[in-house]
Amino acid sequence: DAKTTQPTSMDCAEGRAANLPCNHSTISGNEYVYWYRQIHSQGPQYIIHGLKNNETNEMASLIITEDRKSSTLILPHATLRDTAVYYCIVRVKAVGGGKLIFGQGTELSVKP
Amino acid sequence: GAVVSQHPSWVICKSGTSVKIECRSLDFQATTMFWYRQFPKQSLMLMATSNEGSKATYEQGVEKDKFLINHASLTLSTLTVTSAHPEDSSFYICSASRQENTEAFFGQGTRLTVV
Repeated sequence: DAKTTQPTSMDCAEGRAANLPCNHSTISGNEYVYWYRQIHSQGPQYIIHGLKNNETNEMASLIITEDRKSSTLILPHATLRDTAVYYCIVRVKAVGGGKLIFGQGTELSVKP
Repeated sequence: GAVVSQHPSWVICKSGTSVKIECRSLDFQATTMFWYRQFPKQSLMLMATSNEGSKATYEQGVEKDKFLINHASLTLSTLTVTSAHPEDSSFYICSASRQENTEAFFGQGTRLTVV
């Protein structure tokens, strides 16, 4: 699975959009970008995933660059409850989930 | 999303004793489950892949005789930490997925403290 690089930490004002970047310059053609987040002392929560098209669901939007070497997770209106560590993971899509290799992630702090 | 439940949420045990952690998929069947460990201020580390009806697959550096995994049914996997020591104190998390999906769903985690 390709390696990802994320900023260690970010701050965001409550009500504003939070844009979390992820670099994955060695991504292969059959690898997807997955995003999870972990709120303190809880299990990770799935957010969204995509291959090359931009994706949107009720939680967030995922913007993948045309060359697929980077992506951005967007939380459109961040709330205090969005404070968490966000993990960007690149891997081949596997029926049944497959194992996930977590990097260090980005610690997002949403401030009032 | 799918529901994965772990039990207990936290446990304190004495050194030398064994502790069993359960991971259940509540509304779907999972032929494969995964076990992770997380130390304070660190990321999740994959320990092993639990396969229903067969032996678990352990990641490099994880002692299979110390961390016993049993996946006896399509909805239950257990992790037993044998002869626990204080250095085994950690946050243990499991995950599972529906067969037709590719995103993983995680349990709420089990905080183990060995005293």
